[in-house]
Amino acid sequence: EAQVTQNPRYLITVTGKKLTVTCSQNMNHEYMSWYRQDPGLGLRQIYYSMNVEVTDKGDVPEGYKVSRKEKRNFPLILESPSPNQTSLYFCASRRGTASNQPQHFGDGTRLSIL
Amino acid sequence: SQQGEEDPQALSIQEGENATMNCSYKTSINNLQWYRQNSGRGLVHLILIRSNEREKHSGRLRVTLDTSKKSSSLLITASRAADTASYFCATANAGNNRKLIWGLGTSLAVNP
Repeated sequence: EAQVTQNPRYLITVTGKKLTVTCSQNMNHEYMSWYRQDPGLGLRQIYYSMNVEVTDKGDVPEGYKVSRKEKRNFPLILESPSPNQTSLYFCASRRGTASNQPQHFGDGTRLSIL
Repeated sequence: SQQGEEDPQALSIQEGENATMNCSYKTSINNLQWYRQNSGRGLVHLILIRSNEREKHSGRLRVTLDTSKKSSSLLITASRAADTASYFCATANAGNNRKLIWGLGTSLAVNP
């Protein structure tokens, strides 16, 4: 089954403790992206990747890192999480780099930073 | 930055009725997409309409696009309780064909 898999689905942690949210897709998609979703602010893009070893900042990249060492994986790293990074995070992928293709989303990771 | 603005923010209807949601945007677009998000789940792509198209259908969904008014509408006919979800429009600007800009969504409740 074609899917985007995020782990963990839920995480409660404390300020400053490094964490990684993994994302994996099994569709051989070139493009992958991370979003955060906050009430009243909608979906905001954090980082995206056009292909292996190619990553770029989205609208809200501060406090986050990503890597794309393999085509299927696109982990999101919070080196020193802070409470303002408490949010619902989504990983997405699409077949090509152009926007005229549907994006496939994971089921989300709800992060709470205390 | 948010470009798409959906209205209404929330909509409550009875099963069997039609639901119409609107999306307005500010700049010229390459395409506009509609997505559904069930509570606690990721977004699911519903339909994509290109800037040179005026109407598309997919099952009970009908999407229209009016580029002169910079607006789109999503019509769900004969709604079902399972259509209860949030619906988002996303636009791809003509000048940047890689990035989607998302609206804040319409929350639809279909009552049995």
